Amino acid sequence: KAGVTQTPRYLIKTRGQQVTLSCSPISGHRSVSWYQQTPGQGLQFLFEYFSETQRNKGNFPGRFSGRQFSNSRSEMNVSTLELGDSALYLCASSFLLAVPGDEQFFGPGTRLTVL
Amino acid sequence: AQSVTQPDIHITVSEGASLELRCNYSYGATPYLFWYVQSPGQGLQLLLKYFSGDTLVQGIKGFEAEFKRSQSSFNLRKPSVHWSDAAEYFCAVGSGNTGKLIFGQGTTLQVKP
Repeated sequence: KAGVTQTPRYLIKTRGQQVTLSCSPISGHRSVSWYQQTPGQGLQFLFEYFSETQRNKGNFPGRFSGRQFSNSRSEMNVSTLELGDSALYLCASSFLLAVPGDEQFFGPGTRLTVL
Repeated sequence: AQSVTQPDIHITVSEGASLELRCNYSYGATPYLFWYVQSPGQGLQLLLKYFSGDTLVQGIKGFEAEFKRSQSSFNLRKPSVHWSDAAEYFCAVGSGNTGKLIFGQGTTLQVKP
C-alpha cells in the first residue's frame, strides 16, 4: 500500500508570492492533518480535515489555508509568503476521524524556502 | 495548556550502549502519548504509542517506553543502540478528541562507533 505522498518535495519562492502544497493520503484514509516544522519552533499543528471539513485549526495567521477534496486529497495554501514561512511542511493521514487513538502516518514533507 | 518537554536536545551514545530519552508532558486528562522518529530528509515514523493499560509499551525497532503518571513522564528506552538509530526523536501528546498532536522540541541522537 502506498504511503502518504506530498508534492512537490522542494519549493523555492520569493517573499510576497503564494504557494500551494499537495498531500495525497494513504488509500482509504479520510483524515488529513498538516504540520509546520522549523528549527526554532519545532513541529506545530496547522489544521486537520475530515471528509472535506476543517475540524481543527492551529494558531497560524489567515495567510495559511487549506482544503480537502472528495477523494481525501488535501492542499494547503500560503499567501503573501514571508521569510519565516520557510519550513518543512508535513502532512499526516489517518483512517478515521483522527482521534488520539488513531495512528497518523506522515509523508516525507515539502521543503519550502522563501527568499 | 497541553505541552511536551524533551529536556535533552542532543544525546550521544556509543553503539551497543543503552539509551533513554526523556519526555515530560502536561495534560489535563488521560494522555495519549506517542514517540516518533525522523531520519534526515524523511517524515515521521511512529515508534510506539500509549493510550491505557500496561504502562510499559513495546514498539518497533526494539524500542519501549514507560508511562509514569506520577511523574508525568513517558521515557523511551532501548537496551542496545545501533548506528542506524541515529535520528531525531519526538515525543507527542494527543490533544482532546481530535487528531491534533502536540510535539516536544525533539532529541537528536548521535551514535558513536
